Amino acid sequence: EVQLVESGGGLVQPGGSLRLSCAASGFTVNSNYMSWVRQAPGKGLEWVSIIYSDGSTYYADSVKGRLTISRDNSKNTVYLQMNSLRAEDTAVYHCGKTPHGSGNYFDSWGQGTLVTVSS
Amino acid sequence: ETVMTQSPATLSVSPGERATLSCRASQSVSRHLAWYQQKPGQAPRLLIYEASTRATGIPARFSGSGSGTEFTLTISSLQSEDFAVYFCQQYNSWPQFGQGTKVEIK
Repeated sequence: EVQLVESGGGLVQPGGSLRLSCAASGFTVNSNYMSWVRQAPGKGLEWVSIIYSDGSTYYADSVKGRLTISRDNSKNTVYLQMNSLRAEDTAVYHCGKTPHGSGNYFDSWGQGTLVTVSS
Repeated sequence: ETVMTQSPATLSVSPGERATLSCRASQSVSRHLAWYQQKPGQAPRLLIYEASTRATGIPARFSGSGSGTEFTLTISSLQSEDFAVYFCQQYNSWPQFGQGTKVEIK
């Protein structure tokens, strides 16, 4: 069974940093495309970043230069390093898996981890 | 950037009735359109991909149609567990989501 479990969220001051983790089971992250998608309180969904099976990475313009996606194949885990955080980064951050060989939609999601940026 | 617009924002439907949700793209996304269901405090759940293909385990009462810029999700006979928020998402370019349609009990 495919499972994604996020962790690492919390309260951080503007300008601060946080690292989110997404632990996967039931499949291998390095054989799939993995994304982070966020949802601000009471709002819709916003794609943030993706890491492809070949290791290439891409970002939404709103986070480019501040957020970095990576993975540890030995731990079957995907990370999101968040630097220079702003109030508008406050959201629940979900990781999502794209089906192998498909377009960038998400067939499995984690429950999410809440990031609150506030002084 | 492709902007996805969903309508209506809220849909009030009685159990057993049909619900029709719309999603419009600001430019053609071909058939690269997915639909998700989200209940409070839960992760989104994939319902439909490639505009009309049901995901694994999704009941037949959920159907998707459309191509290009106009898409529809139809729930043929609403069950109690279907009251939720529904999002569309294009993946013809970098993923973009609509703002959601809340389906509530009438």
